[in-house]
Amino acid sequence: EAGVVQSPRYKIIEKKQPVAFWCNPISGHNTLYWYLQNLGQGPELLIRYENEEAVDDSQLPKDRFSAERLKGVDSTLKIQPAELGDSAVYLCASSFRVANPNTGELFFGEGSRLTVL
Amino acid sequence: GQQLNQSPQSMFIQEGEDVSMNCTSSSIFNTWLWYKQEPGEGPVLLIALYKAGELTSNGRLTAQFGITRKDSFLNISASIPSDVGIYFCAGRSNTGTASKLTFGTGTRLQVTL
Repeated sequence: EAGVVQSPRYKIIEKKQPVAFWCNPISGHNTLYWYLQNLGQGPELLIRYENEEAVDDSQLPKDRFSAERLKGVDSTLKIQPAELGDSAVYLCASSFRVANPNTGELFFGEGSRLTVL
Repeated sequence: GQQLNQSPQSMFIQEGEDVSMNCTSSSIFNTWLWYKQEPGEGPVLLIALYKAGELTSNGRLTAQFGITRKDSFLNISASIPSDVGIYFCAGRSNTGTASKLTFGTGTRLQVTL
């Protein structure tokens, strides 16, 4: 069974340029998450989707970050314009809507590492 | 954003030694999870705990859900080189929905031969 797929794995851009990350969740998982992981820290939630609806985007910096999950499957996270402080790993995860011992927990992709110069 | 406190921050041990790490929170959680992250990879789930006082094992790994619901512990017995990585705890306050996980700051484990 395929896991959570993310692309690109690595991206280097100059500041003020736009960048987009793509995520394909595990088949059948209704809930999709985007996490930000700064160097030496644990992941922090940016946005959570249940199907195509963003149900928690309170931590998403909406002035420059946007996300979409148009058909309730794949998702795209965009930054425009990128700043130096955006250099980090952007992790996508997915789960069934109700995460419990029977349905399983969050499964993460390998992440997209962004470097802003 | 909020991150749970993990200790120690890093550990350097010899192969064959046992390892203990813990995670504490100022909030009560209904679920505790332990993930391992290797360089260039995403976190991988090791153990999930759903009941206060629960003790669960996964091979050489054993984790406990603290009775106060504000802490959790992970033990690794007889460490081997492939145990190297960063171990993250994560807590969730509601097991009924796929609600927000709060992650710890991580414990970096190095194993020497």
